[in-house]
Amino acid sequence: ETGVTQSPTHLIKTRGQQVTLRCSSQSGHNTVSWYQQALGQGPQFIFQYYREEENGRGNFPPRFSGLQFPNYSSELNVNALELDDSALYLCASSLPGSSGNTIYFGEGSWLTVV
Amino acid sequence: AQSVTQPDIHITVSEGASLELRCNYSYGATPYLFWYVQSPGQGLQLLLKYFSGDTLVQGIKGFEAEFKRSQSSFNLRKPSVHWSDAAEYFCAVGSPSQFYFGTGTSLTVIP
Repeated sequence: ETGVTQSPTHLIKTRGQQVTLRCSSQSGHNTVSWYQQALGQGPQFIFQYYREEENGRGNFPPRFSGLQFPNYSSELNVNALELDDSALYLCASSLPGSSGNTIYFGEGSWLTVV
Repeated sequence: AQSVTQPDIHITVSEGASLELRCNYSYGATPYLFWYVQSPGQGLQLLLKYFSGDTLVQGIKGFEAEFKRSQSSFNLRKPSVHWSDAAEYFCAVGSPSQFYFGTGTSLTVIP
């Protein structure tokens, strides 16, 4: 149990639609990162938020966007869904400087785009 | 460019046998190093981590890993594998702001 919870666990969307995924980070963790894990692949870094500001971004288009709220929970929004967006989306929280900057992952949200 | 290579896509070992999973990386500085395990349909569970100090680190479930700077490697080992160790294993390297993962090694354990 990592203390990181994600919702929903599974969802199906149609190409062109928009989706919002949610993450509640471990208590006190002010940094949240999002990763996309396609089937048979390792997780790919999407972006990171630190104290409500984007703190780094991977090689993902602008239709992938995020928010972090004052309680450090977070959302990942994906617009204009494409079939290749089908993946497991993982949220990870951390507290820089604590526990060696270890990141703790949630169980993920499975997104299927049809 | 930063990258992580796990050269073994799939490994099969007998229960009770020893295990070594390989991880090589390319990174501009000494990175933070992690091994995670993922069971089917699950998230990632941290096995162990290295930031500095003793290059041999101990983790949960009897796993250990050794950081070899000269070889840019961080191989995971276990002296005696249990059937419950069957899963996907990911090596990750990076800084606190971004981590890079390998493509994973799938472990099958046979009786």
